[in-house]
Amino acid sequence: EAGVTQFPSHSVIEKGQTVTLRCDPISGHDNLYWYRRVMGKEIKFLLHFVKESKQDESGMPNNRFLAERTGGTYSTLKVQPAELEDSGVYFCASSQFTGSISPLHFGNGTRLTVT
Amino acid sequence: AQSVTQPDIHITVSEGASLELRCNYSYGATPYLFWYVQSPGQGLQLLLKYFSGDTLVQGIKGFEAEFKRSQSSFNLRKPSVHWSDAAEYFCAVGVLNNAGNMLTFGGGTRLMVKP
Repeated sequence: EAGVTQFPSHSVIEKGQTVTLRCDPISGHDNLYWYRRVMGKEIKFLLHFVKESKQDESGMPNNRFLAERTGGTYSTLKVQPAELEDSGVYFCASSQFTGSISPLHFGNGTRLTVT
Repeated sequence: AQSVTQPDIHITVSEGASLELRCNYSYGATPYLFWYVQSPGQGLQLLLKYFSGDTLVQGIKGFEAEFKRSQSSFNLRKPSVHWSDAAEYFCAVGVLNNAGNMLTFGGGTRLMVKP
């Protein structure tokens, strides 16, 4: 089966610009998660979708971040306007089962650099 | 709230030597524990997981980990390291709540392998 795919793999933008990251989960996985690792820090949870619904967005840093998952398939994460502190690696993950612990399958991540 | 500590930021071992990466967690209930590995240019790959039962769990690539409740630890081991094991390793605790299956990660341990 195809794994979790993320696009782009790298993005370099200037402060104030907008960037949209995309994640395609494993087919049939209802759960989709976004995580982020800023330089030298831990990987931190951002939000969780179950199908098209946001289940938990407690990790979103501020309202410059907007995540969507229209139709319950792929998801986008938009940063607008980007700030320097948004630089880091953004990981997407998916899992099949809701309501039970199951391993998350991660994509390769998008490395975002804001200059 | 749960937390994970990986005391060693960097570790260097010689190829063929044994390896132990330390992980300590803090969580009030029975933890679900994971080890992930990130090789250069790759995403996070699940090495092994502990949900319940036998406290010594086997994973892929010859890795194993032992859950010790009394020490709140879940250390990762490998008897003989290969050059291809050079990567960054992340320990994580999983929490199942109303929102879903959320992982809290440690800061990671970067492993270098000397020839």
